[in-house]
Amino acid sequence: QSALTQPASVSGSPGQSITISCTGTSSDVGSYNLVSWYQQHPGKAPKVMIYEASKRPSGVSNRFSGSKSGNTASLTISGLQAEDEADYYCCSYAGSITWVFGGGTKLTVL
Amino acid sequence: QVHLVQSGAEVKKPGASVKVSCKASGYTFTGYYMHWVRQAPGQGLEWMGRINPDDGVTNYAQKFQGRVTLTRDTSISTAYMELSRLRSDDTAVYYCTTDSGSYIDYWGQGTLVTVSS
Repeated sequence: QSALTQPASVSGSPGQSITISCTGTSSDVGSYNLVSWYQQHPGKAPKVMIYEASKRPSGVSNRFSGSKSGNTASLTISGLQAEDEADYYCCSYAGSITWVFGGGTKLTVL
Repeated sequence: QVHLVQSGAEVKKPGASVKVSCKASGYTFTGYYMHWVRQAPGQGLEWMGRINPDDGVTNYAQKFQGRVTLTRDTSISTAYMELSRLRSDDTAVYYCTTDSGSYIDYWGQGTLVTVSS
């Protein structure tokens, strides 16, 4: 079970949109729609932002959206705000009752 | 209101074992799977395993097979994660989390386990 591949860092200016990719394999991301995205601020526990690839939990801003194509899932944040600066992790079901996380992406709001 | 309260920080020597507890409240403990996830300093999240609090059935990441044991005590709504044969690279914050059915939703506050001689 190898970690999903995410860019180490992305950045954007306030108001802009950014997209974070999460690449897996046909055994995880490609086979299941059970991809979720987590936001983690320093010293805090992660918070789910997207689940089942594109669904938003109650209370999460509609500036956050998710999609999936083949073995790659993506998280898009539109209208960037300073408070969005955080680490973001994808997570996918990987079969045989196992899950795998991505390596994480540090988002910097310039 | 779901609350997951974990036990306090631990310092262990290499080769020892550690057992972290996670007390759940605000929901039916046996109704939702519980996962354990760890995060080494400055590193990413790593899934360790899952337990069904209802029947105790466990599933583990291959990396931790044979070293990690997940258990629970339904009488006190508490789950446990025991990691044995500790190494320095096991130094991490360990989280217990609940499973909504398709994603990890609630997280404990985390327990820092430091492995040092």
